[in-house]
Amino acid sequence: AQTVTQSQPEMSVQEAETVTLSCTYDTSESNYYLFWYKQPPSRQMILVIRQEAYKQQNATENRFSVNFQKAAKSFSLKISDSQLGDTAMYFCAFRGGSRLTFGEGTQLTVNP
Amino acid sequence: GAVVSQHPSWVICKSGTSVKIECRSLDFQATTMFWYRQFPKQSLMLMATSNEGSKATYEQGVEKDKFLINHASLTLSTLTVTSAHPEDSSFYICSAGGGFSYEQYFGPGTRLTVT
Repeated sequence: AQTVTQSQPEMSVQEAETVTLSCTYDTSESNYYLFWYKQPPSRQMILVIRQEAYKQQNATENRFSVNFQKAAKSFSLKISDSQLGDTAMYFCAFRGGSRLTFGEGTQLTVNP
Repeated sequence: GAVVSQHPSWVICKSGTSVKIECRSLDFQATTMFWYRQFPKQSLMLMATSNEGSKATYEQGVEKDKFLINHASLTLSTLTVTSAHPEDSSFYICSAGGGFSYEQYFGPGTRLTVT
């Protein structure tokens, strides 16, 4: 079974600064996908970024980028130029097959 | 991206009654739908996976007779909480996936309160 671990329950960052959220996972599969989801107070799950395991290049989406270390089974999310609207719970997720396995989440607070 | 809706967004019911939550994919055909449960400040826990036209596959520890899932069409799945009790109070989220995509598209969730 796959497991996803987020070791930072809470983090805070000043507006306009950069923050990195950590995620590690465990799997024996070779083909899989990794995701970061954002859950704001509305509780709507929003896809932030995805990474295909077969791709060596790290995914980027505007201010969001990942550091994917396949051998180390690490998948961290970097948020640059943090904005107040980035305040949310962030979940790392693993998909092998059809199901998603989520980490415990990191509550990120962006301070003005 | 694809749009998934849930109805109702919030429901209050009395202990012992049943409540049905609908999950609809509005602009694509969802061959697979997933139901999650989320307690406050916790992660999403997968309850069951349903494929259109077949029986749902429940996760270990989820009572299939209590949480009835029906996926009768490619755009609609329902979760019925039967004989609800206060401990069933939670936030229920559905997601939908199509065979063309590795993404799951999430509904906005339903808050269930059992009094």
